[in-house]
Amino acid sequence: GAVVSQHPSWVICKSGTSVKIECRSLDFQATTMFWYRQFPKQSLMLMATSNEGSKATYEQGVEKDKFLINHASLTLSTLTVTSAHPEDSSFYICSASRDISNSPLHFGNGTRLTVT
Amino acid sequence: AQSVTQLGSHVSVSEGALVLLRCNYSSSVPPYLFWYVQYPNQGLQLLLKYTSAATLVKGINGFEAEFKKSETSFHLTKPSAHMSDAAEYFCAVSDRNTGFQKLVFGTGTRLLVSP
Repeated sequence: GAVVSQHPSWVICKSGTSVKIECRSLDFQATTMFWYRQFPKQSLMLMATSNEGSKATYEQGVEKDKFLINHASLTLSTLTVTSAHPEDSSFYICSASRDISNSPLHFGNGTRLTVT
Repeated sequence: AQSVTQLGSHVSVSEGALVLLRCNYSSSVPPYLFWYVQYPNQGLQLLLKYTSAATLVKGINGFEAEFKKSETSFHLTKPSAHMSDAAEYFCAVSDRNTGFQKLVFGTGTRLLVSP
């Protein structure tokens, strides 16, 4: 079956540094990937839609300059948290689907970011 | 705007008992509805989805859900809980314009299973 791989699974960084999270579709091409953020014991909030070869579409309230998204190939999207602060600590999850209408989403295993 | 409401942030059952997790949706157009399961520190796994075919949808791991338009509900059930069912469950909705991809999630229900 389809697999979405997310790396790293956890990362600790110092305040002010930047962190890059990768999301790969391992056995299918994904022109669209999605990035979610999940606070402890809360639901997933869609941050942005990553489009291969074009700019990402950000949800209202998400700072595009802070959360940089790059979707340079059909199998890889990256989320970079720039100048991280402790309030950016969260669980980040990506998802992707085959480039077929109404193909279900497959989720990565998430990345737990802790900013100290 | 679409939304889903999950009643009960926690549900506790005994092993072998019926599992019932509630989800009500709000949508101005016929929706697509989903149930996902999340184990600690992992992503989400699709349990089942409703796409306007049969109103009773069977999913993986013995779970099923029934779409009831009159009640705007899509409750998740399993006849007999297993210890391995303990996890967080999310109901989600999307509309026919965005298909299966742009989902709006509920706040989740943590299922606790005791021996």
